[in-house]
Amino acid sequence: DTGVSQNPRHKITKRGQNVTFRCDPISEHNRLYWYRQTLGQGPEFLTYFQNEAQLEKSRLLSDRFSAERPKGSFSTLEIQRTEQGDSAMYLCASSDQGARQPQHFGDGTRLSIL
Amino acid sequence: AQSVAQPEDQVNVAEGNPLTVKCTYSVSGNPYLFWYVQYPNRGLQFLLKYITGDNLVKGSYGFEAEFNKSQTSFHLKKPSALVSDSALYFCAVRDIPNRDDKIIFGKGTRLHILP
Repeated sequence: DTGVSQNPRHKITKRGQNVTFRCDPISEHNRLYWYRQTLGQGPEFLTYFQNEAQLEKSRLLSDRFSAERPKGSFSTLEIQRTEQGDSAMYLCASSDQGARQPQHFGDGTRLSIL
Repeated sequence: AQSVAQPEDQVNVAEGNPLTVKCTYSVSGNPYLFWYVQYPNRGLQFLLKYITGDNLVKGSYGFEAEFNKSQTSFHLKKPSALVSDSALYFCAVRDIPNRDDKIIFGKGTRLHILP
């Protein structure tokens, strides 16, 4: 069990650019979640996958955000035409299926928009 | 919709003293409750969970939490605080009857253990 891995750890980009983050979950976990965390706040749910199916998207997730998990393993989160308000820590978590299972988090990707 | 409140932004405790970090929740049915800890520039680490059964649950690093249904609370406790316990703590809830798989997190409580 190598844990949840996220890359890159830190991304700095200019407003208007596109960015993509990658998450590699714990290998036997079939559920994968994306969250956004801003300073002084708890993680806010963005979306989640069960295997390759995206089962829910938050209303926070504008059309500029898209997530994929093409083979039910790793996932990518893309933000198009980044805005200042997108600056945040983006966290990925994975879990076994079942509501009793805790989520295991990666160390996040910190996005800074110049 | 479910929600979680952590009424204290910060808690200061002297090393060796007992600590309590408060959490209250609101759900339509029976909750599943979780505590996580976050160290600087790191993701969240799972500490403990309440699913059903004994109201006092024990978790990692000597932490425990007490589920109180009548007060809709799930306070995190530790009998003797360590300086290394200083971190950001998050309470979270999952509302099962709505079959909603989202976990909703509180805003977090920063715990400072004073040497």
